[in-house]
Amino acid sequence: DAGVIQSPRHEVTEMGQEVTLRCKPISGHNSLFWYRQTMMRGLELLIYFNNNVPIDDSGMPEDRFSAKMPNASFSTLKIQPSEPRDSAVYFCASSPGRQTGELFFGEGSRLTVL
Amino acid sequence: GENVEQHPSTLSVQEGDSAVIKCTYSDSASNYFPWYKQELGKRPQLIIDIRSNVGEKKDQRIAVTLNKTAKHFSLHITETQPEDSAVYFCAASSGGGADGLTFGKGTHLIIQP
Repeated sequence: DAGVIQSPRHEVTEMGQEVTLRCKPISGHNSLFWYRQTMMRGLELLIYFNNNVPIDDSGMPEDRFSAKMPNASFSTLKIQPSEPRDSAVYFCASSPGRQTGELFFGEGSRLTVL
Repeated sequence: GENVEQHPSTLSVQEGDSAVIKCTYSDSASNYFPWYKQELGKRPQLIIDIRSNVGEKKDQRIAVTLNKTAKHFSLHITETQPEDSAVYFCAASSGGGADGLTFGKGTHLIIQP
């Protein structure tokens, strides 16, 4: 398996633009997580899905952020409109579920909002 | 919600010496405590984990200890090597990890040659 695949790897955009980050989890994994990493705040859980259903989105910073998982092999995290403080590395991770707690992270998407 | 504190934020040790990183957590319901290693520009990867029914776990040069009463757990790396240089994150979860992990802020471990 290729692991968790994220795109784009790097995104530079201007304030006010819409940003869409994409994730393909490992096949057979039931849970998908979106994390944001910054120097100041570390790794923050934004939202997670079990069997494509959003379970907890309490970590989503504000209404500008939204996430979807239309099927078991694809998820998106959207920021609209983007702001400079959204600049961070966004990681997607998947997990097989309750049998193991291990998270398998993607390479991350580095977002810079000018 | 869960809060995980991690210390120190930076740790510099001589190659061959031991390194210890400590974490505390707030939610007494937490039952799963993994440690992740993140090399510069790379993704975090699991190196060892421990569940609440175990007090200690060892895997070659790394070991983790858990004190549920005091709500703290530690990572021990012995005989450190240059490739151990990275940022290490502790985490905690009350759902065995299935409901996501709350991470500490990380420890930048520097191995001095």
